[in-house]
This record gives sequence, structure tokens and C-alpha cells, in this order.
Amino acid sequence: DQQVKQNSPSLSVQEGRISILNCDYTNSMFDYFLWYKKYPAEGPTFLISISSIKDKNEDGRFTVFLNKSAKHLSLHIVPSQPGDSAVYFCAAKRSNAGNMLTFGGGTRLMVKP
Amino acid sequence: DSGVTQTPKHLITATGQRVTLRCSPRSGDLSVYWYQQSLDQGLQFLIQYYNGEERAKGNILERFSAQQFPDLHSELNLSSLELGDSALYFCASSVDTGTTEAFFGQGTRLTVV
Repeated sequence: DQQVKQNSPSLSVQEGRISILNCDYTNSMFDYFLWYKKYPAEGPTFLISISSIKDKNEDGRFTVFLNKSAKHLSLHIVPSQPGDSAVYFCAAKRSNAGNMLTFGGGTRLMVKP
Repeated sequence: DSGVTQTPKHLITATGQRVTLRCSPRSGDLSVYWYQQSLDQGLQFLIQYYNGEERAKGNILERFSAQQFPDLHSELNLSSLELGDSALYFCASSVDTGTTEAFFGQGTRLTVV
């Protein structure tokens, strides 16, 4: 049973445009959500997070939106740059149950120059 | 560079053998996590240690075990290896077990032949 799902395995976007990566979760006990970026031959790198008490968190070009009622979150990258090309993982956790992360399957983002 | 060091980077071994993967967390981090990334399963949480004690367990096989030493480095032991154990094994660390992001190492790629 996949508790965190990223339904789009890949996404292609033109440089300068917005990239929107989506993530759905089923476990209503999750209260903290994170996005990680992963380049080939490297470990996942933390990008941005959001607590369930918020519906938006912004950090530079990256914004994460959380819709608790829909159990959905999204990552917006504006403007997209070729260096953003990577695999993006959505992750969720219960902050009162250790710090272990449940990951989605990832979305490969390709930003074309 | 996340500050988390994993050795070795690559490991090729035969079925039935035993291997040990090593992880040095970021300076000051007390929690260590092990994740497995296989082609068909995505990133799966295996086990967490906090300051030397096991804190949480995920889908870790009985053939696998881990420990965290007084200097906070951790080792993941995989025994009676099977072809299906071939995967990327990531170690991550965080300051504590609460709402903090985890930082990942570059991973150890294990190939069982």
C-alpha cells in the first residue's frame, strides 16, 4: 500500500516556465511533508518542507502548497532552470513517530533550454 | 556535500555472502537512518538509530541488522545475500527525531551476483 504517491513519473518543461510537481498521500496521520531533489549518483538533497498547520511555504524559486482536505501537495518551481533537471521525491512523516520518511516514487523533471 | 559519509560507494558480492555498509553522520547529528532504493520499490525506510539506540524499524528483513556506535557512526549488516538485495543503500542523519530534515549520504550501490 503506497501511502505517498507521485503519479507523474516524468515532466518536461521549458526553461523560464513554471514546473508543478504533484504528490498525494493517504495517511491522515502525516503532519510534515518534504521535497527532496536527487541527481544521478548522488543522495537525495533536502529542498523544502511544510508543516500540516500551514498551507504554503516559499523559499526563493520553490513553493510548496498543501491541501490537507484533498491530501495533496505540490511543488512549484518558478522560473524553471536547466539545473533543476533531476528526480524530485515527495516525502511525508509523523513527527511524533520518529523521523522516518515515507517517500513517493519520484518525478523526473527535465527543463529544456 | 551533505556531510554524511558512506563507504564503500560500490560493492559487488556473490549470493550467500555478508557485507557491511558504513555511515558517518553529519557532525552533531544524533539520529541515523537507513534507506533502501531498489528499482521496483523506490526509497524504503529500513531502520533508525538515535544516540546508539534503535528508535524505529521499517521493512527491514531479518537477514539485515544495524547498529550505531558510541562515536555515532552506524553500520548496516546484510547477510545471506540474495539477487534481490541489489539496490542503493542510503544513510541519512538528522539532529534529533523531531521535525527536522534529514541529510542523505551519496549511497552505497550493492550488486549481488
